[in-house]
Amino acid sequence: AQSVAQPEDQVNVAEGNPLTVKCTYSVSGNPYLFWYVQYPNRGLQFLLKYITGDNLVKGSYGFEAEFNKSQTSFHLKKPSALVSDSALYFCAVRDMANAGKSTFGDGTTLTVKP
Amino acid sequence: DVKVTQSSRYLVKRTGEKVFLECVQDMDHENMFWYRQDPGLGLRLIYFSYDVKMKEKGDIPEGYSVSREKKERFSLILESASTNQTSMYLCASSFGTGDTDTQYFGPGTRLTVL
Repeated sequence: AQSVAQPEDQVNVAEGNPLTVKCTYSVSGNPYLFWYVQYPNRGLQFLLKYITGDNLVKGSYGFEAEFNKSQTSFHLKKPSALVSDSALYFCAVRDMANAGKSTFGDGTTLTVKP
Repeated sequence: DVKVTQSSRYLVKRTGEKVFLECVQDMDHENMFWYRQDPGLGLRLIYFSYDVKMKEKGDIPEGYSVSREKKERFSLILESASTNQTSMYLCASSFGTGDTDTQYFGPGTRLTVL
């Protein structure tokens, strides 16, 4: 079975500071990992994904994520947060052995204060 | 750009009513998905479909059914709505059968069952 955990319900940062939203996963095979963002009153949007290759993945809006196989983590990061980054962030994992089904985390609400 | 549309943004129904939620995508995607989103529970997969007239149960199919008569349209049916089905329902689609495929989400339907 596959699972994903986002240990923080809420992350608060000041504008201009770096931000990290944490995600850990569990799969039996090789993982495919995704980050999605949901802005208020809107659907989920794709941010970035890790499939293979370089452990540091760059995505939309200046976000990046680092795949760490030994720690089974895929934390989302941004060097300098913007107020407009405030949203709900979801990590998702897909196991190669479980084709077609992604498992989503419970979500982390990011609030960036001016 | 991929566009996924859902028939209603807000819907209010009474207990016992039959409810249809419609989803249409315009990018000829093979795969379509229905999720429900509840606070603190993330996204949970209800049903998905790889092709016309085929369907697979997700993690929480009880109380729901689906229909995919045309490639672009995936309907979620609540045969007899209950109050515990009050939720945000999200439809998504993805291109092919590859495990790396990004999912594209609709804006969501917030269903309230009274």
